[in-house]
Amino acid sequence: AQTVTQSQPEMSVQEAETVTLSCTYDTSESNYYLFWYKQPPSRQMILVIRQEAYKQQNATENRFSVNFQKAAKSFSLKISDSQLGDTAMYFCAFLIYNQGGKLIFGQGTELSVKP
Amino acid sequence: DADVTQTPRNRITKTGKRIMLECSQTKGHDRMYWYRQDPGLGLRLIYYSFDVKDINKGEISDGYSVSRQAQAKFSLSLESAIPNQTALYFCATSDSSGGPGANVLTFGAGSRLTVL
Repeated sequence: AQTVTQSQPEMSVQEAETVTLSCTYDTSESNYYLFWYKQPPSRQMILVIRQEAYKQQNATENRFSVNFQKAAKSFSLKISDSQLGDTAMYFCAFLIYNQGGKLIFGQGTELSVKP
Repeated sequence: DADVTQTPRNRITKTGKRIMLECSQTKGHDRMYWYRQDPGLGLRLIYYSFDVKDINKGEISDGYSVSRQAQAKFSLSLESAIPNQTALYFCATSDSSGGPGANVLTFGAGSRLTVL
């Protein structure tokens, strides 16, 4: 079975600090994509960052970066200089390349950024 | 206007009623999906469609049906709603044609359904 596990249901961080959200996944496939989505209180699903599994270099988008460890099947998200607007539910997800674009999601981590 | 539009945004209904959630997109994507979100469970796939004539069951399709009326429209039906179908429902689209946007899902704003 292909699964995604986010072991931290809730996290909090002080404004301007750095926080890391954990994600592990399980698949026997070798070609896949990994994603982090953000869901603020507005409930809109917003893509934060994407990583292709064949790329060794970790993806970065402004204050957001990932630590992709393929052998360990780990895909953590680091948020630097946390801002109040980062308060949201964060979902880790992966997509197998030749399986119709279906995203498999983790359970989510609720992040609170405190002033 | 949003790229992926879901209607209604919120709906309260009673057990046994038929309800339809509608999704339309202006992105020209060929693939469309319906997901359900429950607290602590993340999002789970209900149905997905590669094109108008290709519809597939997802992880949790029991109690649901779908219709792909056109490339841009994909509706989800609950024939006889029950309380454990109370959830937040998302429609999403993606493009299979390759390029930098391929395999990136674009989501609608969600439809909150409450079944009493």
